[in-house]
Amino acid sequence: EVHLLESGGDLVQPGGSLRLSCAASGFSFSSNAMSWVRQAPGRALEWVSTIFVGGTPYYADSVEGRFTISRDNSKNTLYLQMTSLRAEDTALYYCAKDRRAGPPDSWGQGTLVTVSS
Amino acid sequence: DIQLTQSPSSLSASVGDRVTITCRASQGVSNSLAWYQQKPGKAPKLLLYATSRLESGVPSRFSGSGSGTDYTLTISSLQPEDFATYYCQQYYRTPRYTFGQGTKLEIK
Repeated sequence: EVHLLESGGDLVQPGGSLRLSCAASGFSFSSNAMSWVRQAPGRALEWVSTIFVGGTPYYADSVEGRFTISRDNSKNTLYLQMTSLRAEDTALYYCAKDRRAGPPDSWGQGTLVTVSS
Repeated sequence: DIQLTQSPSSLSASVGDRVTITCRASQGVSNSLAWYQQKPGKAPKLLLYATSRLESGVPSRFSGSGSGTDYTLTISSLQPEDFATYYCQQYYRTPRYTFGQGTKLEIK
């Protein structure tokens, strides 16, 4: 059974930094693209970033240049380094496993990031 | 970016009703369209992908159809556990996914 466990969410001041982690188990982590999707309170889902098997990253325009996605296949862990955080980055951040040539098919329970002074 | 517009934004229905939710894309997505169900405080759950393919374990009362820019999710006979928010998502521009704004399905 696929299991994704996010951690690292916290309250941070505007301009601050945070690193999210997602520990994966139950599937071949190194063989799957992985994504981060966020959901602001009461709002819709928003794609943030994806990293392909080979390590190529992709970012939404709203986070490009501020967030960095990475993966450690030896630890079955996905990361999201977040810098220059803004109030509008406040959201529940989900880690998701991407189906090959398909949509994300498994999601963690999310980790909450709050950006506020 | 491809924009997805769902309608309606909210819907009240009764157990046993047939319900249809529509998702319109700003450009064709070539059937690379998925539907998710999200209950309060829970992660999204994949229901259908490739427009009409049912994810393993999802009841057959859920179905999907469409092509080009217009897609629908139909629940043939609502059950109490189906009251939730539903999102469409395109993965035609993988990995630049986009989601619809959601449709909240409430009990009448």
